[in-house]
Amino acid sequence: ELKVEQNPLFLSMQEGKNYTIYCNYSTTSDRLYWYRQDPGKSLESLFVLLSNGAVKQEGRLMASLDTKARLSTLHITAAVHDLSATYFCAVDTEGSNYQLIWGAGTKLIIKP
Amino acid sequence: GAGVSQTPSNKVTEKGKYVELRCDPISGHTALYWYRQSLGQGPEFLIYFQGTGAADDSGLPNDRFFAVRPEGSVSTLKIQRTERGDSAVYLCASSPFGPASSYEQYFGPGTRLTVT
Repeated sequence: ELKVEQNPLFLSMQEGKNYTIYCNYSTTSDRLYWYRQDPGKSLESLFVLLSNGAVKQEGRLMASLDTKARLSTLHITAAVHDLSATYFCAVDTEGSNYQLIWGAGTKLIIKP
Repeated sequence: GAGVSQTPSNKVTEKGKYVELRCDPISGHTALYWYRQSLGQGPEFLIYFQGTGAADDSGLPNDRFFAVRPEGSVSTLKIQRTERGDSAVYLCASSPFGPASSYEQYFGPGTRLTVT
């Protein structure tokens, strides 16, 4: 059974600081996704990581994938208040009809 | 272009009643997924359609839940004899699902179902 674990589940940090969210998954996966969710809103796609060593960056967020370690990281550089949200990682596999298996989410609060 | 839309945005119903939740995917997307998200948790897979057929309904919790997609576009999730435990946000996602696609799923705003 494919499982996805995120840590930490809750993170409170000051503006300007750097931090990393970790996403581990239990079995071989084809793709890894990072989504953002604001309170009461739906899920916004941030990154799709397709292969080992993939690295993608958008603004202050950078995501990477290590398929051998079954680990993805989402790094936040010089955090700003607008990045406060819940961040989810998810994986899919061809064998599961590409349904997304989700982590529990990391609630990120960035204090001004 | 238009994204995934879902109606209604909120639905409050009494225990035991029947509800229908609608999803209108992005035009041309052949794959459609339904997920359920409870407060403070990640989404949970319910059912996947490829075209008109339910390719995988293994996530439906029991036979009170049923979904259709008769013309390969709009989908309706149907819940019979609702229970308080059915209260959640129901999310719909669509994907182009083709050889050139990344299989990325695009989510609608969700329907918040409250069973009283």
